[in-house]
Amino acid sequence: RKEVEQDPGPFNVPEGATVAFNCTYSNSASQSFFWYRQDCRKEPKLLMSVYSSGNEDGRFTAQLNRASQYISLLIRDSKLSDSATYLCVVNPGQGAQKLVFGQGTRLTINP
Amino acid sequence: GAGVSQSPSNKVTEKGKDVELRCDPISGHTALYWYRQSLGQGLEFLIYFQGNSAPDKSGLPSDRFSAERTGGSVSTLTIQRTQQEDSAVYLCASSLGGTSGMVKFFGPGTRLTVL
Repeated sequence: RKEVEQDPGPFNVPEGATVAFNCTYSNSASQSFFWYRQDCRKEPKLLMSVYSSGNEDGRFTAQLNRASQYISLLIRDSKLSDSATYLCVVNPGQGAQKLVFGQGTRLTINP
Repeated sequence: GAGVSQSPSNKVTEKGKDVELRCDPISGHTALYWYRQSLGQGLEFLIYFQGNSAPDKSGLPSDRFSAERTGGSVSTLTIQRTQQEDSAVYLCASSLGGTSGMVKFFGPGTRLTVL
């Protein structure tokens, strides 16, 4: 079983739609959680950290459920520029200074 | 430029040759990481440096892989006797440290192709 699992998609949605991605992680000791986005043939960029209380950054909302070991990302009013691969990322805890990446969910926003 | 830089951007080599990949982190960043991304795969952690020492090398896939960092700055990842399965994009990242591995700044990567 992969340490971080995501639905690979692809998700194809019309501009303006709301889209949600889910992710699960297997290591209950995991401490920090993030979403990154990666454009085609580019390096990943940090989108947002994810907190237990849930957090929002503009059109993006992230949620964490530690009991279910589940992370989500919601994008509202999607734009063409949101087309990218979204990576669910976890720090495995216990002092580890590294990130474990999911394989990513590919999103295409259609005009 | 103020970002993480890597060289070369592309490297094509023949199976069995050695390659060296270079990373220049952001000035003042004490933590440096190497990851790789194979086709269709997620990013895979290779090694973490804090200053010049590497407290976590757990992701290096075999003893053909090694890395060093000098002067708390530039890092070199060396792959000896390259194999076709080494073909991937090798990404370097840096941070101020103490961020539980969270990085905001990845380099553009070196795309390695082993023929």
